[in-house]
Amino acid sequence: GAVVSQHPSRVICKSGTSVKIECRSLDFQATTMFWYRQFPKQSLMLMATSNEGSKATYEQGVEKDKFLINHASLTLSTLTVTSAHPEDSSFYICSAATSGGAYEQYFGPGTRLTVT
Amino acid sequence: GQSLEQPSEVTAVEGAIVQINCTYQTSGFYGLSWYQQHDGGAPTFLSYNALDGLEETGRFSSFLSRSDSYGYLLLQELQMKDSASYFCAVKARAAGNKLTFGGGTRVLVKP
Repeated sequence: GAVVSQHPSRVICKSGTSVKIECRSLDFQATTMFWYRQFPKQSLMLMATSNEGSKATYEQGVEKDKFLINHASLTLSTLTVTSAHPEDSSFYICSAATSGGAYEQYFGPGTRLTVT
Repeated sequence: GQSLEQPSEVTAVEGAIVQINCTYQTSGFYGLSWYQQHDGGAPTFLSYNALDGLEETGRFSSFLSRSDSYGYLLLQELQMKDSASYFCAVKARAAGNKLTFGGGTRVLVKP
């Protein structure tokens, strides 16, 4: 089956620092990757859609200069949280699809970010 | 935009049947998906309905009525491991083929 990995699984950082999260599709090529944010006991909120080789499309209200997304290859997308603050603490989950029209997304295991 | 409604929580005993309803509002509807997520884990795909009717996959079944903008996920022969959150998600042309998730239903299975 399609496997998506994320690294790191858990990170604690100090306020003001930047954190990079990697999302990899291990056994398939992902033309589209999605980045979600999830607060405890809440739903997944889409932050941005990332297509290989092009700029990410951000959802309304998501600061593109704060959440930098790079989709460098068909198997790797990265999310960098810049100048992190405690309110950025959350569970970040990526997903990958084999095409932009795919109905099934394969989710990574998520990254728990805690900003102190 | 898109909006989905599903119950926030359901409690049932092992062996029981649970139905999680999902109503949605969207334009350019393509289909309705269901995902399962255990605490601290990643969402995993359960089913997708693009056409009206019932899709059965083992103990889980999913139903869609496009005319009613309604679907449900049916969990049969509940097991303790089914305790998780279940999300419906709609795929719609208006959203650029992205998935929009409902708020999720926490299912608690008791012995």
